[in-house]
This record gives sequence, C-alpha cells and structure tokens, in this order.
Amino acid sequence: GAGVSQTPSNKVTEKGKYVELRCDPISGHTALYWYRQSLGQGPEFLIYFQGTGAADDSGLPNDRFFAVRPEGSVSTLKIQRTERGDSAMYLCASSPDRSTEAFFGQGTRLTVV
Amino acid sequence: GENVEQHPSTLSVQEGDSAVIKCTYSDSASNYFPWYKQELGKRPQLIIDIRSNVGEKKDQRIAVTLNKTAKHFSLHITETQPEDSAVYFCAAPHPGANSKLTFGKGITLSVRP
Repeated sequence: GAGVSQTPSNKVTEKGKYVELRCDPISGHTALYWYRQSLGQGPEFLIYFQGTGAADDSGLPNDRFFAVRPEGSVSTLKIQRTERGDSAMYLCASSPDRSTEAFFGQGTRLTVV
Repeated sequence: GENVEQHPSTLSVQEGDSAVIKCTYSDSASNYFPWYKQELGKRPQLIIDIRSNVGEKKDQRIAVTLNKTAKHFSLHITETQPEDSAVYFCAAPHPGANSKLTFGKGITLSVRP
C-alpha cells in the first residue's frame, strides 16, 4: 500500500478483555515502531522492531503489553486484561531503516469501558 | 534518556504573520530533529527535519534552525494560513535509532483569518 495501514481504526472493549491491534507497514520498510498517544500529549514510544525481532521494548508499560512481527512485515500489538488507563490512540510507524524518518499510520483509537 | 520540551504550549497568530515554535532537548548526542504536524483526529505527519551537520533547512514557507550548543531547535512558519492551524510536535531521537523518538507535548497553533 501507499502508506502505513492500521486496523481497526477504532476499538471499544470492556475492561479485562484482550485486544489485538494490527499494523501493516510501508512495503520494504524494515523498521517498525509502536507509539501510544494520550489526549493532549505527544506520542510515547512503546516498542521497535528491526525485521522480525523486537530490538527495543523498553517503552512497553507492563507485561500486559506484547507485540510481534513474525514475518518482518505486519505487526500486532496485543494487550491483555485491558484497563481504562490503556485508552489512547495507538500509532504505528515504519521507516526504511532505523536511521531515517518514520511515517505514521492513522492509528487505532482504543477505548476501554 | 532524552528529555524534550516545547514552548509555548499554545500560539495564536494573525493570518499572514510568522510563527516560531521552540524546542529544547537534553541529549547532546542526538543528531536528528524532526517536526511533526498533527491535525485533529489525524496522524502525525513529518513536515521538516534537520540533521546536526547543518544549522538551517528551508522548505517553502517552513524552516527549521538548530543550535547544538544550546540544545534547541525551532520551527519557523512564514505567511501563515488558516490550514497551518494544528498541533506541532518536535522530537529528538535516542542515539543510534533515529526513529525511536521522544516527543514534546506539542504546541497548538491557531491562525486567525
């Protein structure tokens, strides 16, 4: 596709449920990033993939959050036992490599009720 | 880690005037500085970036200046138009990973017609 694609665009879930958010990066981009943006704040780094491996997961807030990128392209962010505080916009970005600019997807707005 | 701050938090200008938004960072090893524009409900979009080997970069009505000694960089928008109204984020990278970004909290720019 032409840009980074994220699905779903909106997700409403009940507290305690499990959710998966999908990111389809720009074709050929080896670096993939997940960020979380709360209302009125800048995006906050969660995790970075170089190829299939998580090169840096230091931004994941706790062990309820996990992400995978099994074939080095599509990535899935997984959140277990969701809490109301997890409500935010989850943004995915990709870049040709780790030293060049990142292009963001439209994001998934997660609301935990 | 990197600490990024933006000043002011809001800025209102008259259409046609110039706007300047300043950003400070803490890690002197940072060498790549992007600015993102985010319209309401949309993704952050890279509008201009600068690397540490230059002091200024221009692209039509926007420019970015970098002062590495003082560890700050600024976004300059000339001849502002209503469509420039948005939230602007500066960011600075973790060394060696230019797309693992620490973002500022953003500045809301309002251009009055």
